[in-house]
Amino acid sequence: QVQLQESGPGLVKPSETLSLTCSVSDGSITSYYWSWIRQPPGKGLEWIGCIFYSGDTKYNPSLRSRVTISVDTSKNQFSLKLNSVTAADTAVYHCARLRGYYDSSFDYWGQGTLVTVSS
Amino acid sequence: QSVLTQPPSVSAAPGQKVTISCSGSSSNIGNNYVSWYQQLPGTAPKLLIYDNHKRPSGIPDRFSGSKSGTSATLGITGLQTGDEADYYCGTWDSSLSSGVFGGGTKLTVL
Repeated sequence: QVQLQESGPGLVKPSETLSLTCSVSDGSITSYYWSWIRQPPGKGLEWIGCIFYSGDTKYNPSLRSRVTISVDTSKNQFSLKLNSVTAADTAVYHCARLRGYYDSSFDYWGQGTLVTVSS
Repeated sequence: QSVLTQPPSVSAAPGQKVTISCSGSSSNIGNNYVSWYQQLPGTAPKLLIYDNHKRPSGIPDRFSGSKSGTSATLGITGLQTGDEADYYCGTWDSSLSSGVFGGGTKLTVL
């Protein structure tokens, strides 16, 4: 059973960069697409982007100018960087695995980590 | 404003059946597979339905999915109090080249 765990600072100042890492255990990061999804408090899900183990990426066009997703196969981890954050970026950030290609469904999810943007 | 449209809430009595709709367009639901997720309070979303109508291992057959044109539907029969949760539809949008979700539907089992 694949397990995903998000880690990173829970508080980020406005205009700074949000950085999170997702550690994958009990399964290899290779041969799958991996994604970041966020959920503002009390609101719905928003797809941020995804990455293949080889490094191919897809990003939400509304966030593309500020987002970078990277993968480290040697550590079985992938990461999210979101720069120039504002209060609107406050959310629970989930990492998830895609069942197949980038347009498929998310079969394993991390529990999520709350990131608050505030000075 | 979500790309996919879901009703904000639905409700039904225990043992009854409920359906949740998800409406989109030809660039998303119309030409891509739909998935459904259940999010119990304080937990991560859980995959309920993928590829429009398939259930992952361990998901009871009380949950079903269907798609017609640019709309999809999640059905839940034999409602239980434990089914109270938020339900989200999701798919790929070929025009946006992005994953998209519905705004979510809160199910109340009265």
